[in-house]
Amino acid sequence: GIQVEQSPPDLILQEGANSTLRCNFSDSVNNLQWFHQNPWGQLINLFYIPSGTKQNGRLSATTVATERYSLLYISSSQTTDSGVYFCAVAPSGNTGKLIFGQGTTLQVKP
Amino acid sequence: GAGVSQSPSNKVTEKGKDVELRCDPISGHTALYWYRQSLGQGLEFLIYFQGNSAPDKSGLPSDRFSAERTGGSVSTLTIQRTQQEDSAVYLCASSLNWDYEQFFGPGTRLTVL
Repeated sequence: GIQVEQSPPDLILQEGANSTLRCNFSDSVNNLQWFHQNPWGQLINLFYIPSGTKQNGRLSATTVATERYSLLYISSSQTTDSGVYFCAVAPSGNTGKLIFGQGTTLQVKP
Repeated sequence: GAGVSQSPSNKVTEKGKDVELRCDPISGHTALYWYRQSLGQGLEFLIYFQGNSAPDKSGLPSDRFSAERTGGSVSTLTIQRTQQEDSAVYLCASSLNWDYEQFFGPGTRLTVL
C-alpha cells in the first residue's frame, strides 16, 4: 500500500520562529490533507490540498503531486501552534479513506 | 451541533465484553469514516460509509469489528468480545462527499482491562 513519510518527527521552536514540515508519499493520490492534533486530541483540518499552494493566516501549504510531496509552512510560530501535525493522503480509487503519516510533534516555547 | 460528535467520550470495559461506539456526523455529509489511533499503530483507517452502504471495510482488523449507518446519518461501531489490544482512541470523521475534506469528532477513548 501507499507509504506516507513525514519529517522531522520532532521539532522545538522558539516563539516567533518559522518552520517547514515535509510529507512524502509513494504513489499517486486523489487528495492530500494536513491536520493539527491539539494537546486535547482534537484533529483540526488545516488544508485540503491535492495540488498547488494555499494560505490561511500564518500557515501555508504546497503540494507538488507530480513529485509526490507536500510542505506545510508555519510562520511566526505561537505557543498555540504546539501539537502534532499529520499529513494524510487519499489513495487513488473512490473511497476517500485517508492514510496518515506518523506525524511531526511541534513544541513552541515562549 | 455544527461539528461531528461521538459518544461516549470514554469507555472502560472488561476483556470479553461487547461495546458500541456512536458517531453523529455533520448534517448533510454523505461520507463517514471510522479510524483508530493507538500509540503503536498511529492513525489507522477502519471503514468508510457512503450513505448507508460501506463500500470499503478493508481496515477492520477482525470479524469482531462491525459497523452500520442508518438514515444516512448516525453510525455505530461495535466491537465484540473485546481484547486488550482493542484499547485505543476511536475517531469518526465525515465529509460532504468521498473526495472532500474530512472533519473529525473528538473521539472515544476505549480501555479494555
